Amino acid sequence: AQSVTQPDIHITVSEGASLELRCNYSYGATPYLFWYVQSPGQGLQLLLKYFSGDTLVQGIKGFEAEFKRSQSSFNLRKPSVHWSDAAEYFCAVGGIGGNEKLTFGTGTRLTIIP
Amino acid sequence: DVKVTQSSRYLVKRTGEKVFLECVQDMDHENMFWYRQDPGLGLRLIYFSYDVKMKEKGDIPEGYSVSREKKERFSLILESASTNQTSMYLCASSSLSSGKPYNEQFFGPGTRLTVL
Repeated sequence: AQSVTQPDIHITVSEGASLELRCNYSYGATPYLFWYVQSPGQGLQLLLKYFSGDTLVQGIKGFEAEFKRSQSSFNLRKPSVHWSDAAEYFCAVGGIGGNEKLTFGTGTRLTIIP
Repeated sequence: DVKVTQSSRYLVKRTGEKVFLECVQDMDHENMFWYRQDPGLGLRLIYFSYDVKMKEKGDIPEGYSVSREKKERFSLILESASTNQTSMYLCASSSLSSGKPYNEQFFGPGTRLTVL
């Protein structure tokens, strides 16, 4: 069965500092990987996705993520965070067969301090 | 822009009541999903639907049912609400894969349900 682990429940960073959010997945074949962001009181918005090809993917809002098969990881990064990046971030993995089901991690809450 | 709307942002119901949560999408998407979101548990799939009148169980279907009579509308039903169903409920939709392995899921703002 597929699964996603986000080991950090809560991360606090200073505005302007770099950010890395960790995501590890378990899946038997090539995974389809996603990062979503949820701002307070909002639904989820897709930041970026990995299907195949270049292992470094660029997303919206200046985010990027790197797929590392050997480490079963898909970590999210941003070189310089802004106060508006404060939100909850979810990593998700999709299964085979194009059945559109996603398995989500438990989320990482990001707090930005001035 | 794709828009997914949910009938209520906040809902308070009593134990044993029948509860309907409505979701409507305006982009003619074939796929629709219901998730519940709980602190420390992330999002868990309750039910999903690939087409009108079709439904598939997700990971936690117990205590829930769904209805999809029209393509744009997907309803989640709690036949007899219980306190352990107090949660945030999120609806999502996506179009059918057309040569792609996956299409993006678009989410509604969520309904925070409290069962007393």
